[in-house]
Amino acid sequence: KNEVEQSPQNLTAQEGEFITINCSYSVGISALHWLQQHPGGGIVSLFMLSSGKKKHGRLIATINIQEKHSSLHITASHPRDSAVYICAVIGGYNTDKLIFGTGTRLQVFP
Amino acid sequence: DTAVSQTPKYLVTQMGNDKSIKCEQNLGHDTMYWYKQDSKKFLKIMFSYNNKELIINETVPNRFSPKSPDKAHLNLHINSLELGDSAVYFCASSVRTGTFNYGYTFGSGTRLTVV
Repeated sequence: KNEVEQSPQNLTAQEGEFITINCSYSVGISALHWLQQHPGGGIVSLFMLSSGKKKHGRLIATINIQEKHSSLHITASHPRDSAVYICAVIGGYNTDKLIFGTGTRLQVFP
Repeated sequence: DTAVSQTPKYLVTQMGNDKSIKCEQNLGHDTMYWYKQDSKKFLKIMFSYNNKELIINETVPNRFSPKSPDKAHLNLHINSLELGDSAVYFCASSVRTGTFNYGYTFGSGTRLTVV
């Protein structure tokens, strides 16, 4: 079993829908990242969280350290949001190693 | 200016060859990484260097050798390439402040195809 699990694996939505992607992890962490990988392949870091909630534009990320769970929400989804979203954790302090989830492939249709 | 740049973007080579992938970052970050993304799109760390010192060396064949001439560069040399080495290799960098690691920035990836 992977240390970082994401759900769903695949997600399709109509433009304008509210999207939620979930991430659960089984290890102690110092931080969690949400990453976005577009079809062209490049990876962009969207958020780094160690507690609470962060918002950037239409994207909101939350984390519950006690429950070892994080969610990424996209409000008013748009076809340009179509990408693979990857949850990754830094497993503890004094380590820089990212442990990745398997990713969620999101397709938003007009 | 590109923050983390990798070259080449695509690399097609025959089995048994030796090849290198170069990575450079202009962010002033002190830690650099190599990650491998397999055919199922799963990412896994290979190596990390902090100020030119090897910090993480996951279970990677000896044929893979990272080299960091300075903290802005981390190159990956692969000897005797095998079919199973075909993957996308991502370079990344970050900066550490105390016990926290910030500012992960990824390169655009190098798609290696071994034929």
